[in-house]
Amino acid sequence: GDSVTQMEGPVTLSEEAFLTINCTYTATGYPSLFWYVQYPGEGLQLLLKATKADDKGSNKGFEATYRKETTSFHLEKGSVQVSDSAVYFCALSNFNKFYFGSGTKLNVKP
Amino acid sequence: EAQVTQNPRYLITVTGKKLTVTCSQNMNHEYMSWYRQDPGLGLRQIYYSMNVEVTDKGDVPEGYKVSRKEKRNFPLILESPSPNQTSLYFCASSRDMEYNSYEQYFGPGTRLTVT
Repeated sequence: GDSVTQMEGPVTLSEEAFLTINCTYTATGYPSLFWYVQYPGEGLQLLLKATKADDKGSNKGFEATYRKETTSFHLEKGSVQVSDSAVYFCALSNFNKFYFGSGTKLNVKP
Repeated sequence: EAQVTQNPRYLITVTGKKLTVTCSQNMNHEYMSWYRQDPGLGLRQIYYSMNVEVTDKGDVPEGYKVSRKEKRNFPLILESPSPNQTSLYFCASSRDMEYNSYEQYFGPGTRLTVT
């Protein structure tokens, strides 16, 4: 069945460092791909999405490109801030269902 | 304000005592879904609903029931809770599932403990 695998955390970075969180997926058909962010004590919020191959989603300095050839949707940001500290989830939707990765906790130190 | 609400936010109960967690959205969304979040496992889909009176199983439906009698409400029912259902539960809604592309809006979560 469909599934999402993302890198284990936690990831600890200094402010202004470059961020990459890896995400790969397994799916049939034409899934859409998402990154969600969860701040402590809150529900998930959409960060960005891509609905077809080679699409690039971007928001708040974060980017991810839908790579069908490598079945990947890696999240990147050029310069992280302390306020980016949160848990990040990669997800896909396909045939009316959603699948989430296990989440990657990001800690950004001043 | 567009939102998904869940009640209660916290619940401690005992094994076998039936409970209902309510979920309501005010965005006229067609698609609604329930998830459980467990450490190291991310979110797993329990049930989803494409529209009123249309529900279907997600990946982990055992021990749960749902109903969708009105568009805005999608309650989650645990008829005989067990300790392995201790988890953080999220309700979410989406405009619809056309082309798989619409984002989901999540509620604040319900932390359930079954002793």
